[in-house]
Amino acid sequence: NAGVTQTPKFRVLKTGQSMTLLCAQDMNHEYMYWYRQDPGMGLRLIHYSVGEGTTAKGEVPDGYNVSRLKKQNFLLGLESAAPSQTSVYFCASSLRDRRNEQFFGPGTRLTVL
Amino acid sequence: AQSVTQLDSQVPVFEEAPVELRCNYSSSVSVYLFWYVQYPNQGLQLLLKYLSGSTLVESINGFEAEFNKSQTSFHLRKPSVHISDTAEYFCAVTRGGGATNKLIFGTGTLLAVQP
Repeated sequence: NAGVTQTPKFRVLKTGQSMTLLCAQDMNHEYMYWYRQDPGMGLRLIHYSVGEGTTAKGEVPDGYNVSRLKKQNFLLGLESAAPSQTSVYFCASSLRDRRNEQFFGPGTRLTVL
Repeated sequence: AQSVTQLDSQVPVFEEAPVELRCNYSSSVSVYLFWYVQYPNQGLQLLLKYLSGSTLVESINGFEAEFNKSQTSFHLRKPSVHISDTAEYFCAVTRGGGATNKLIFGTGTLLAVQP
């Protein structure tokens, strides 16, 4: 099992550019999450999904969109990147019956200039 | 709503010394509590959890945490640390009963073990 994987690992964008971060999990987990991690702020939930075709807003959803077309994939999109979106982004997944035990990917470090 | 406070942003300690990383939570309902560890340039890994039952929980690598309801704390301890324990540690809380999947994380404590 690869667990939770994220692509890309690093990315530099210019303000106004768009990009999509891909998260994939091979554990057949129903729930998937996107977090951002900023110094001194811990992890904050951006969006999450409780199943294929469904998504919901987390704590800091503005400026991001997500899609869950397949159970194993959860995409995070930035339509018009801003410097405030410079962060490390983590994807996580969990089983529905053990939803609080989340498994994390290795992260994507995004810099917006 | 739940919240988590990790009082120390960084804890320096010498190898083989004991350590305690502090975590306090606030909640008006029952909670589940977690400690996650993040090694350099990696994602978070679940270290240990309290869901119910015994208030003292242990990890496989010698860490333990005790749920103290009266003090609303879930401090993480290890009697003798190793260089390889250097990492950032995050305390997290969620509402008990499995009704929600949303974890609330603290701001993290960097454990820096020195030789």
